[in-house]
Amino acid sequence: NAGVTQTPKFQVLKTGQSMTLQCAQDMNHEYMSWYRQDPGMGLRLIHYSVGAGITDQGEVPNGYNVSRSTTEDFPLRLLSAAPSQTSVYFCASRRYRALNYGYTFGSGTRLTVV
Amino acid sequence: AQSVTQLGSHVSVSEGALVLLRCNYSSSVPPYLFWYVQYPNQGLQLLLKYTTGATLVKGINGFEAEFKKSETSFHLTKPSAHMSDAAEYFCAVSGEGGGADGLTFGKGTHLIIQP
Repeated sequence: NAGVTQTPKFQVLKTGQSMTLQCAQDMNHEYMSWYRQDPGMGLRLIHYSVGAGITDQGEVPNGYNVSRSTTEDFPLRLLSAAPSQTSVYFCASRRYRALNYGYTFGSGTRLTVV
Repeated sequence: AQSVTQLGSHVSVSEGALVLLRCNYSSSVPPYLFWYVQYPNQGLQLLLKYTTGATLVKGINGFEAEFKKSETSFHLTKPSAHMSDAAEYFCAVSGEGGGADGLTFGKGTHLIIQP
């Protein structure tokens, strides 16, 4: 199994540019989420989804959009990148209402906004 | 609201010594607790988790943690540190019932192993 796949692994953007970070999972997990990791801050939840067509905001949603058209995919969109969005982004999934199985994380996307 | 406090952003131990990484949490519902490890330039790997049942949880790579409800703690230990244990460690909490809430992470502890 591939698990959770994130693309790209690295990206450099100019301020104001837009881009989409891709996340795909092949485990039929209902729940998918996006986190950002910043030094000394741990990981903070950006957006999450409990199934196709259902999304909601996490702790730090400003500047990011998400959609969930299929169970497998959960892309994260930056509409107008800002230097404050320089971070490492992780996608994670799990079976909904199955916390005992834990989360599966992707390998991350390192984004730099200049 | 949930929160996690990890004491010590950096912990340094000698190879062969006891590893103790501290984690305290707050949660309004019975918590599910996790420890994750992150090696340089990699994603997060689950070390161990507490959901229900036995309060002493054993994980991978010789790590274990004990859930103490009265102390709201979930400290991570390993009897003898190895050089390969050098990494970032995150404690996380989630609510019971598999609801829509995600994981709330601590800020992480960087474990340094001295030869």
